[in-house]
Amino acid sequence: RKEVEQDPGPFNVPEGATVAFNCTYSNSASQSFFWYRQDCRKEPKLLMSVYSSGNEDGRFTAQLNRASQYISLLIRDSKLSDSATYLCVVTTTNFGNEKLTFGTGTRLTIIP
Amino acid sequence: DVKVTQSSRYLVKRTGEKVFLECVQDMDHENMFWYRQDPGLGLRLIYFSYDVKMKEKGDIPEGYSVSREKKERFSLILESASTNQTSMYLCASSLRAGYSNQPQHFGDGTRLSIL
Repeated sequence: RKEVEQDPGPFNVPEGATVAFNCTYSNSASQSFFWYRQDCRKEPKLLMSVYSSGNEDGRFTAQLNRASQYISLLIRDSKLSDSATYLCVVTTTNFGNEKLTFGTGTRLTIIP
Repeated sequence: DVKVTQSSRYLVKRTGEKVFLECVQDMDHENMFWYRQDPGLGLRLIYFSYDVKMKEKGDIPEGYSVSREKKERFSLILESASTNQTSMYLCASSLRAGYSNQPQHFGDGTRLSIL
């Protein structure tokens, strides 16, 4: 089983719709969670951290479910500019050293 | 704003050449990382460093080495390039070792082609 798994998509969603995708992780000792966004041929950029209580940043909501070992990202009122690949990132700390594991990404295309 | 700079956006080398990829960050970050990204495989960690002259193997270190002589600079070396090392290489840095919930900041990436 992969350490971090994401549905690769593609998700093709009409502009203005709400879209959500999940990411599952296998290591129950994982401590920190992030969503990154990567545009075509560009580097990944941090979208948001994911906190235990869930958190919101404008149209974006991230949630963590430790019992089921998954994180989710919800995008409301989607814009054309939201088209990108969304990477789930999970951090595990082992003897003081952090290890980040990236999912392979979910590709999202917003259709006019 | 954190700036992570990779020396080349595109690079073409020949099989057997020694290849150097350079990465510099300007925010006094302790941690630096080298990844490669391939379609369907995502980002895979090659090597990382938590301090000057310190290096640790990541998940796929074979065929690579690294050097961190100064805090701001982390170099990836392909000792004898092979065609299966054709990939997008991404350098990243983060603030401090041993602290969780720290995001990584990435450079623009280097598209390396080995012919």
